[in-house]
Amino acid sequence: NAGVMQNPRHLVRRRGQEARLRCSPMKGHSHVYWYRQLPEEGLKFMVYLQKENIIDESGMPKERFSAEFPKEGPSILRIQQVVRGDSAAYFCASSPEGPARDPLHFGNGTRLTVT
Amino acid sequence: KQEVTQIPAALSVPEGENLVLNCSFTDSAIYNLQWFRQDPGKGLTSLLLIQSSQREQTSGRLNASLDKSSGRSTLYIAASQPGDSATYLCAVNPNQGGKLIFGQGTELSVKP
Repeated sequence: NAGVMQNPRHLVRRRGQEARLRCSPMKGHSHVYWYRQLPEEGLKFMVYLQKENIIDESGMPKERFSAEFPKEGPSILRIQQVVRGDSAAYFCASSPEGPARDPLHFGNGTRLTVT
Repeated sequence: KQEVTQIPAALSVPEGENLVLNCSFTDSAIYNLQWFRQDPGKGLTSLLLIQSSQREQTSGRLNASLDKSSGRSTLYIAASQPGDSATYLCAVNPNQGGKLIFGQGTELSVKP
């Protein structure tokens, strides 16, 4: 059973470009979570999605960031008009049921560098 | 506002030693607590999940305890090995949602 798959592993974007980060949850997992790890800071929650629904987006910046988890295909975290402060490691996690019962399983992350 | 603190920030021990990592949280109203390890440049590996009604969980050489009333959890690692070298993170789930609140981690180095 493959783990949580994230791609790309590394992504370089110039300021003003768009970044698309993909996450395929573990097989049988319908709950997806995105976290961000800024340099010298801890992991911070961004958004929690279940198939086709956003459950909690309280950690998402109000502008330029969006996330989706369509019925078919991976979850996508989209960052429009990237700025240097967006440089970070972005981690996706999944669980079969909700987070109350099951541990979250994390992918290896996408490291975004904005030049 | 829930805050999670891990002490020490870094720890270096000789191989074979038993050790304890500490995690404290400011609000005792948590749903569960999870311990992870993170290797450099990698993602997080889930180690143990303790529900709020539980006192401890064990997996192999690892034992995690939870004292909700005092806002503390410990991760005990027995007979440490160089392969245990990593950053250990604890995270609390304040409700039944997906918003885990992480500590800053303890960077563990086990010397051969």
